[in-house]
Amino acid sequence: DAKTTQPNSMESNEEEPVHLPCNHSTISGTDYIHWYRQLPSQGPEYVIHGLTSNVNNRMASLAIAEDRKSSTLILHRATLRDAAVYYCILSGHYGGSQGNLIFGKGTKLSVKP
Amino acid sequence: GAGVSQSPRYKVTKRGQDVALRCDPISGHVSLYWYRQALGQGPEFLTYFNYEAQQDKSGLPNDRFSAERPEGSISTLTIQRTEQRDSAMYRCASSLEVSTGNYGYTFGSGTRLTVV
Repeated sequence: DAKTTQPNSMESNEEEPVHLPCNHSTISGTDYIHWYRQLPSQGPEYVIHGLTSNVNNRMASLAIAEDRKSSTLILHRATLRDAAVYYCILSGHYGGSQGNLIFGKGTKLSVKP
Repeated sequence: GAGVSQSPRYKVTKRGQDVALRCDPISGHVSLYWYRQALGQGPEFLTYFNYEAQQDKSGLPNDRFSAERPEGSISTLTIQRTEQRDSAMYRCASSLEVSTGNYGYTFGSGTRLTVV
C-alpha cells in the first residue's frame, strides 16, 4: 500500500492560517490524495481530495507538489472547531482494493484561542 | 437518507454471543466500507462492497467476522462468538461511485461495541 508521512501533532493560533504537510514519496500515477479529519468523539469527515492540480473548496485548499510526492492541506483561518486529527490518505487503483482508504496516525491539530 | 445511518449506536454483549451491526448508506451510494477503530487510533479497514459484491475482505481479522450487503443497499457486519478484544467502534462509510479514488467517503456515527 502507498503510505503517507505526517507530523504527529501541530499547534495553531485561532484565526491564523494552518499548513498541514504530508509526504507520499511512493505515490503512483493513479493515486488520488485525500484528506479527512476526525473531531473528538465523531466519525471521520471528508475535507478535500485531488490528483495533480491544486484544489479549493469551502473547507480548505490542497496544494500538491509538482512531483506529487508531497502535499499540504491549508486551512485559511483556523477556528477552535478545526481542532481535530487530520489524515492524509492515498486512494486509487491497486490490486483488488480499488479506492480503499488506508488510515495512518494522522496529525493532531490543536488550536489556541 | 441524509447521511450514513448505523445501528445500534451502542451494543454491550457478553463474551461468546453473536452480534450484528447494521449500516444504512446514503441512498444511491454504490460503495460501502466497514472500518474498526480502537480508542486513540485511526480507522482500520475491514471490508468493502461495490453494489452487493464484496470486493475486498482482507481486513477482516478472522473467520468470526463476516459481512453482507444482499441487495446492494443495507449492510450487516456480523461477529460470531465475540471476544473482549472485539470491543471497539465500528464505522461504516459509503461513497457515490465505484472505486477509482476520485470521490469522497461519508462516514456514519459508528456503533460502539463492548464485549464483557
